Amino acid sequence: DTAVSQTPKYLVTQMGNDKSIKCEQNLGHDTMYWYKQDSKKFLKIMFSYNNKELIINETVPNRFSPKSPDKAHLNLHINSLELGDSAVYFCASSRGANEKLFFGSGTQLSVL
Amino acid sequence: AQSVTQLGSHVSVSEGALVLLRCNYSSSVPPYLFWYVQYPNQGLQLLLKYTTGATLVKGINGFEAEFKKSETSFHLTKPSAHMSDAAEYFCAVSDAGGTSYGKLTFGQGTILTVHP
Repeated sequence: DTAVSQTPKYLVTQMGNDKSIKCEQNLGHDTMYWYKQDSKKFLKIMFSYNNKELIINETVPNRFSPKSPDKAHLNLHINSLELGDSAVYFCASSRGANEKLFFGSGTQLSVL
Repeated sequence: AQSVTQLGSHVSVSEGALVLLRCNYSSSVPPYLFWYVQYPNQGLQLLLKYTTGATLVKGINGFEAEFKKSETSFHLTKPSAHMSDAAEYFCAVSDAGGTSYGKLTFGQGTILTVHP
């Protein structure tokens, strides 16, 4: 069983479209995250949720809206996609702050 | 604010040789320090972490790292490289006080190549 699963694995879309990436964890963790890895492999946190509450929002454009329907899910919706949004997006979870992060395998988003 | 600098974006070693990946951090509060490994087309996996206590931390796959506060360093080592160690390695720092609630600041990564 995959601990942190995200779908889709690949996402190719046109500028201006709206898309969503889904993430689910079956580890019983309280905290979930979205990270963005750019073309230079630089990894930066976008959001952190703890028990469905937003804890960290790292100056991400408001075109990006995370949604956590329950502790096991943290979805990422992106409006009006731009070329600069092309990256690999990783979902992760942990038991709590400063605990080991468990990462999903990533969603490669390509905006044309 | 916290930051991480990994010296050397690429490191190449021969199989059986010592692996040394360098990481220096900057933090205004006591840090928690991590090393993660990323294999191609996969998410990151934790190798080891330092929180408090013993400054020499042992991780998985024979890796270890030593926290040196005076040098603000957390270098990753492995005595003998294996072909399967080829991957990208990320050093990360977190606010031990917990105010950032687990926010990790990552370094830019070091690609390790292992030659036969």
